Amino acid sequence: DTGVSQDPRHKITKRGQNVTFRCDPISEHNRLYWYRQTLGQGPEFLTYFQNEAQLEKSRLLSDRFSAERPKGSFSTLEIQRTEQGDSAMYLCASSGPGTGVGTEAFFGQGTRLTVV
Amino acid sequence: AQTVTQSQPEMSVQEAETVTLSCTYDTSESNYYLFWYKQPPSRQMILVIRQEAYKQQNATENRFSVNFQKAAKSFSLKISDSQLGDTAMYFCAWGPSYNAGNMLTFGGGTRLMVKP
Repeated sequence: DTGVSQDPRHKITKRGQNVTFRCDPISEHNRLYWYRQTLGQGPEFLTYFQNEAQLEKSRLLSDRFSAERPKGSFSTLEIQRTEQGDSAMYLCASSGPGTGVGTEAFFGQGTRLTVV
Repeated sequence: AQTVTQSQPEMSVQEAETVTLSCTYDTSESNYYLFWYKQPPSRQMILVIRQEAYKQQNATENRFSVNFQKAAKSFSLKISDSQLGDTAMYFCAWGPSYNAGNMLTFGGGTRLMVKP
C-alpha cells in the first residue's frame, strides 16, 4: 500500500471556476477526513466520512464546498465559484476502524490550490 | 469549542541536544486524545506521538516523549538527541474521544530547525 494519495498535487484556477480534488485513502481504512491548511497555519478540519456516510461537517465548509465518498472508497472535494480566499493546501487523511493503537490518521501530501 | 495554542513559532536546537516544544489546549471534555504531528518541508504530515487523556502515564516513542499535565491542560513534546531529520513544522492537536480522536483541532505550529 502506498499510503493516502491525492490528485492533483497542484491546481491553479481562475476566480469563479469550479475545481475538484480526489483522495484515495489507504485501502482498508473506512474513515476519511478533509482538512484545509493555509500558509503558515495549522490544518483546519473540514469534513469526515465513515464509509460512504458524511458524518461531520465544519462550519468552514460553505455552500460552495461539497464532498462525496460514493462507494466508501475514494473521495472528492469540489469547490464551486472559487474565490481567492480558497487558496490553500487541501489535505486528506484516512484511518481504520476501532479506537486503539494503529487507528491514527495517515495524511496525504495534499493538493495545493492557487486561485488567481 | 476546543482550542490549541503553540506559543513558540520557531525554535532551533543543536544536533544531539534536547528540545522541548510547548502546547496548551482548552476543552470541556473529560476524555480526549492529544497528538504531535511532524510536517517536513513539502512532505506529508506524520504522527509523532499520541496520548489518551485518561492515561496518566506519559507516552514515549523512541527519542520523543511528552509531558502531559491534564489539570494544567498542557502537552509538551521533548525531543532527545535531536537529529537533522527532525527539522520540520511540529503541530500539536486535540481530538475527541470517539472516532479514535481523528477529527483534529490543530495548533498554529512550531518550526523546529536542528543545526549541525
